[in-house]
Amino acid sequence: SQKIEQNSEALNIQEGKTATLTCNYTNYSPAYLQWYRQDPGRGPVFLLLIRENEKEKRKERLKVTFDTTLKQSLFHITASQPADSATYLCALGMDSNYQLIWGAGTKLIIKP
Amino acid sequence: SAVISQKPSRDICQRGTSLTIQCQVDSQVTMMFWYRQQPGQSLTLIATANQGSEATYESGFVIDKFPISRPNLTFSTLTVSNMSPEDSSIYLCSADIGQRNTDTQYFGPGTRLTVL
Repeated sequence: SQKIEQNSEALNIQEGKTATLTCNYTNYSPAYLQWYRQDPGRGPVFLLLIRENEKEKRKERLKVTFDTTLKQSLFHITASQPADSATYLCALGMDSNYQLIWGAGTKLIIKP
Repeated sequence: SAVISQKPSRDICQRGTSLTIQCQVDSQVTMMFWYRQQPGQSLTLIATANQGSEATYESGFVIDKFPISRPNLTFSTLTVSNMSPEDSSIYLCSADIGQRNTDTQYFGPGTRLTVL
């Protein structure tokens, strides 16, 4: 069966450390993968997109990797700050059918 | 990017009534989407709304229960009809404003619906 998995348990990280979130999928062949941030009571906010032919993408303190062999994406936040605390969602895109397939998200807590 | 607003932000409704949620985008967009999200759960796509055509519903969602309007390129409504407590959820609209072949979605703040 097709599924997309993110760590269901909250991830607690000490401020200043690197936070790493995982997105695994099975029985999909995505053209790209996106990461979103969602704060309580808000809609998701787009962060980064990485395509199937890209290994790594960076944006300021954020880094995303995409391994289509392992069927996994890793999302890193370096020099983490309490303001980075939120739920992070990954979403698979199937080459412009306009729909995204969403993971359930991982709650990240950065402790001061 | 785009600014997407939703109204109402929250509502408490009685069983059997209907609620219409409005979604306004500050730019013209082709694709708009309606999602439902339970606390701690993934986003569940209800339907895709294109301007000038009928909405496309996902499995488990029907037009009689969730009628959608898309009168122009900046606006859409979702109606939750004949509500029951099981319809209590957060309803989100989004718009595809990304570059070609990226399908990046921008979301409204959501409508928190409680059905008693």
